[in-house]
Amino acid sequence: EAAVTQSPRNKVTVTGGNVTLSCRQTNSHNYMYWYRQDTGHGLRLIHYSYGAGNLQIGDVPDGYKATRTTQEDFFLLLELASPSQTSLYFCASSGTGTNTGQLYFGEGSKLTVL
Amino acid sequence: QQKVQQSPESLIVPEGGMASLNCTFSDRNSQYFWWYRQHSGEGPKALMSIFSNGDKKEGRFTAHLNKASLYVSLHIKDSQPSDSALYFCAVSSTNTGKLTFGDGTVLTVKP
Repeated sequence: EAAVTQSPRNKVTVTGGNVTLSCRQTNSHNYMYWYRQDTGHGLRLIHYSYGAGNLQIGDVPDGYKATRTTQEDFFLLLELASPSQTSLYFCASSGTGTNTGQLYFGEGSKLTVL
Repeated sequence: QQKVQQSPESLIVPEGGMASLNCTFSDRNSQYFWWYRQHSGEGPKALMSIFSNGDKKEGRFTAHLNKASLYVSLHIKDSQPSDSALYFCAVSSTNTGKLTFGDGTVLTVKP
């Protein structure tokens, strides 16, 4: 099964702080995604990428930057964290060919902004 | 922008009963339809897909798709306590690589 590893698993920061969430996949997938999960809002797409150096804007990108440094690594950056960004963040990967939508998710990173 | 809506928000069924989850989507160009399941404390996992109109059965799970009605559903037969989880409908538009999720249905199966 596809392996997606996120770090850190838990992070607490203060308003205005900088946070970097890391994600690594080891399955040679082309696509990688960052979602946030909030009660009542399901999973909302922040940014995604279809290869190293590529970045696509998702549905809720404000306040987030992302960078895909290699095929394996995708980072989510919060440069001025706000309490509204307190959430559970999931990274996922998919697609060795036609992307039919089967995503493999990591275990999640819980972020608390005080 | 694709909108995916699920109903009901929560559902309680007795062990051995039938659970029915509903999903509507807005983009008529949608091509790939998935159901994901998330147990507490874990990441979501793909449960099953359906790409053509009609029914698709995998064990106790049956997905139904009607593209003209912008509707997809999931039916779980002989529900087990281990089926208790958050279920997401997810829809992908053609070739964009972008998967949009609904808000989810919380299923509880009572022993």
